[in-house]
Amino acid sequence: DAKTTQPTSMDCAEGRAANLPCNHSTISGNEYVYWYRQIHSQGPQYIIHGLKNNETNEMASLIITEDRKSSTLILPHATLRDTAVYYCIAAAGNTPLVFGKGTRLSVIA
Amino acid sequence: DVKVTQSSRYLVKRTGEKVFLECVQDMDHENMFWYRQDPGLGLRLIYFSYDVKMKEKGDIPEGYSVSREKKERFSLILESASTNQTSMYLCASTAEENNEQFFGPGTRLTVL
Repeated sequence: DAKTTQPTSMDCAEGRAANLPCNHSTISGNEYVYWYRQIHSQGPQYIIHGLKNNETNEMASLIITEDRKSSTLILPHATLRDTAVYYCIAAAGNTPLVFGKGTRLSVIA
Repeated sequence: DVKVTQSSRYLVKRTGEKVFLECVQDMDHENMFWYRQDPGLGLRLIYFSYDVKMKEKGDIPEGYSVSREKKERFSLILESASTNQTSMYLCASTAEENNEQFFGPGTRLTVL
């Protein structure tokens, strides 16, 4: 699996958009970009994934650059409940995921 | 509502005991995974299974074994628990050809 690089931590004001970056410059053509988050003392939760095109669901939007070397997860209106560690993972369809250290997002009132 | 359940939220065992951690999913998923999570080390994959009676080693299988006799159940076994196996253990499952993993709530195991 391709290695991903994320900032260690970020802050975001409540109600504002949270933009979480991820670099995956060695991503292969068959690898998807997955985003998960983990709220304290809970198991990780799937958020969204994509291959080439931008994706949106009820939780977030995923913007993938044209060269696929980086992506951004966007939480459009962050709330205090979005405070969590966010993991960006590059993996082919059925291979086990490798979770890195992630980005600790703090949403501040 | 889809669900992955783990047998215990908290467990305390003594060194040398045999420990069974059970995971059950009700989504008819083919793939199941066991991770452990430790501060500063993140989630690390112990074992996984793509089918009944099938198992594959993950990144840190030493000291662990697994059993998958039925599709919905994946058990993690510590043959002789040691203090360095004190950790949070997380089970997950996915459908075939898919990496949308559903995680259980975790079991916090303490080995004294």
